[in-house]
Amino acid sequence: EVQLVESGGGVVQPGGSLRLSCEASGFTFDNFGIHWVRQAPGKGLEWVSLISGDGGATYYADSVKGRFTISRDNSKNSLYLHMNSLRTEDSAVYYCHMVEGYWGQGTLVTVSS
Amino acid sequence: EIVLTQSPGTLSLSPGERATLSCRASQSISNTYIAWHQQKPGQAPRLLIYGASSRATGIPDRFSGSGSGTDFALTISSLEPEDFAVYYCQQFGSSPLTFGGGTKVEIK
Repeated sequence: EVQLVESGGGVVQPGGSLRLSCEASGFTFDNFGIHWVRQAPGKGLEWVSLISGDGGATYYADSVKGRFTISRDNSKNSLYLHMNSLRTEDSAVYYCHMVEGYWGQGTLVTVSS
Repeated sequence: EIVLTQSPGTLSLSPGERATLSCRASQSISNTYIAWHQQKPGQAPRLLIYGASSRATGIPDRFSGSGSGTDFALTISSLEPEDFAVYYCQQFGSSPLTFGGGTKVEIK
């Protein structure tokens, strides 16, 4: 059974940093690209970033480019999102997601002073 | 970027009624890259339909997907109480992957 489990969310002040993690199981991790998708309170789903299976290619939404970095450690079956210079508008539940149809349960990030 | 426009924004129906949700794309997309997800309050989205018309594992046959090109639809043949939720279409045939704004199916 495929499982994606996020962690690392919390409350951070504007301008601060946070690292999210997504631990995967139930499939051959390095065969699949994985996305981060976020959802602000009461809003829809917004794509944030993608990393290829081997980690060699990364892509970002314009809203986070230059501030967020996606990475993965295939030896640990783990995906990461390093978030810097956080803004109030980054407040959201962050999900790891595979287009094969899998979602994690999400981790909440709140950016507030 | 491919924009997905879902309509209506809200659908007010009674249990047992038929629901038809629309998703229109700003450019043509191969059916392979169209999915529908259901989301209930406080929960993560859940895959319902992939490849525009194939039901995911465990999804009841009252859910069906159709369409091609730029126009896609999700139909729920007879609403059950657990079907009242928000539904999102998704495309991943063109980067970046995008989602529609969602259709909320609420109890009338």
